[in-house]
Amino acid sequence: QVQLQQSGPGLVKPSQTLSLTCAISGDSVSSNSAAWNWIRQSPSRGLEWLGRTYYRSKWYNDYAVSVKSRITINPDTSKNQFSLQLNSVTPEDTAVYYCAREGIAARVDPWGQGTLVTVSS
Amino acid sequence: DIQMTQSPSSLSASVGDRVTITCRASQSISSYLNWYQQKPGKAPKLLIYAASSLQSGVPSRFSGSGSGTDFTLTISSLQPEDFATYYCQQSYSTLEGYTFGQGTKLEIK
Repeated sequence: QVQLQQSGPGLVKPSQTLSLTCAISGDSVSSNSAAWNWIRQSPSRGLEWLGRTYYRSKWYNDYAVSVKSRITINPDTSKNQFSLQLNSVTPEDTAVYYCAREGIAARVDPWGQGTLVTVSS
Repeated sequence: DIQMTQSPSSLSASVGDRVTITCRASQSISSYLNWYQQKPGKAPKLLIYAASSLQSGVPSRFSGSGSGTDFTLTISSLQPEDFATYYCQQSYSTLEGYTFGQGTKLEIK
């Protein structure tokens, strides 16, 4: 049974970098049949897919156009986890952030527990 | 972006009712459509993937149908634990982003 455990700060100052980590148990970040996603949810924007990382003989990333210039998703094979970095944050980036596994047939499940990140000085 | 439009935005129903929620894509997404249930303070839970496949462990009263641009989620007989918000999501294209519908809040009548 795959489980995802998120960690990271809940408060980030404007213009700084938001950093979150998602630790994986029950699967491998290097799996050839999974992709590892970040998704956020806010009252104003609803559920918004941010991007993913996955391994298919080499590492790939896909990012949402809306954040492409500011986002990095990295795998960490030594710790079996993946991370999200979002640069130059503004109050509009305030949201609950989720990590999630994407499996066969693009089913996205399970999800992490969610982390509320507030961007405020 | 591929836009996903759900209807209705909210719905009142009673235990035992049959309920249908609709999701429409702005372009064809074949059968790359997932449905989720979300309860307050919790992460979304996958119910249906690939438009009509029931996720393991999900009760059989949930079903999905459709392909191309029009999809439906049906709950055959509402149970008290089904009152929640439901979202559709297209997983057809990451170039467009895996976009979600705006949600349908299912409330007790």
